[in-house]
Amino acid sequence: SQKIEQNSEALNIQEGKTATLTCNYTNYSPAYLQWYRQDPGRGPVFLLLIRENEKEKRKERLKVTFDTTLKQSLFHITASQPADSATYLCALKRGSQGNLIFGKGTKLSVKP
Amino acid sequence: EPEVTQTPSHQVTQMGQEVILRCVPISNHLYFYWYRQILGQKVEFLVSFYNNEISEKSEIFDDQFSVERPDGSNFTLKIRSTKLEDSAMYFCASSEIGQEIYNSPLHFGNGTRLTVT
Repeated sequence: SQKIEQNSEALNIQEGKTATLTCNYTNYSPAYLQWYRQDPGRGPVFLLLIRENEKEKRKERLKVTFDTTLKQSLFHITASQPADSATYLCALKRGSQGNLIFGKGTKLSVKP
Repeated sequence: EPEVTQTPSHQVTQMGQEVILRCVPISNHLYFYWYRQILGQKVEFLVSFYNNEISEKSEIFDDQFSVERPDGSNFTLKIRSTKLEDSAMYFCASSEIGQEIYNSPLHFGNGTRLTVT
């Protein structure tokens, strides 16, 4: 069956460091992958989208890579800040119909 | 910036009762979705809706669930006879373009927390 796995349930890092979050998938051949941020009690907020023919995408302090051979995406936050503390979700299009399916997320805590 | 709004923010109901969760999607969006998130679990797809009909639904979306766009602005999710396991956060989302072909991001509301007692 199709699976999306975000390897770390929680990641704790020091302010100023780079956070790297991992998203692996199996039994998919997604055309693109999206990353969202979710704060407690709130809905997910779209951050970045990367297509299968793109190796890397950047937006301010965020960088996403997409390796279709490894079936993996990495999400980086450089110069992390306490305000970056949240749960980060990766999402893939499911099958031919195409609605988004989410991973369980990685909870990032950035300590001052 | 336009946003998706959901009401109520919290709904408590007794098992077996019907509930209607309401959403106002972003005005120029054409595709609408319901997702749910059980506490501590992942965000799960329920149903997508376009052109006044369901375009896709998950195995969770059984006969107890229905969706409707009763007017030009509201999008509702009805649960006919709630069960304890329906307790979750229900998120409405909309997108300008459908997921089937294009890579349109989803814009989520802040959810309705449904508690079934």
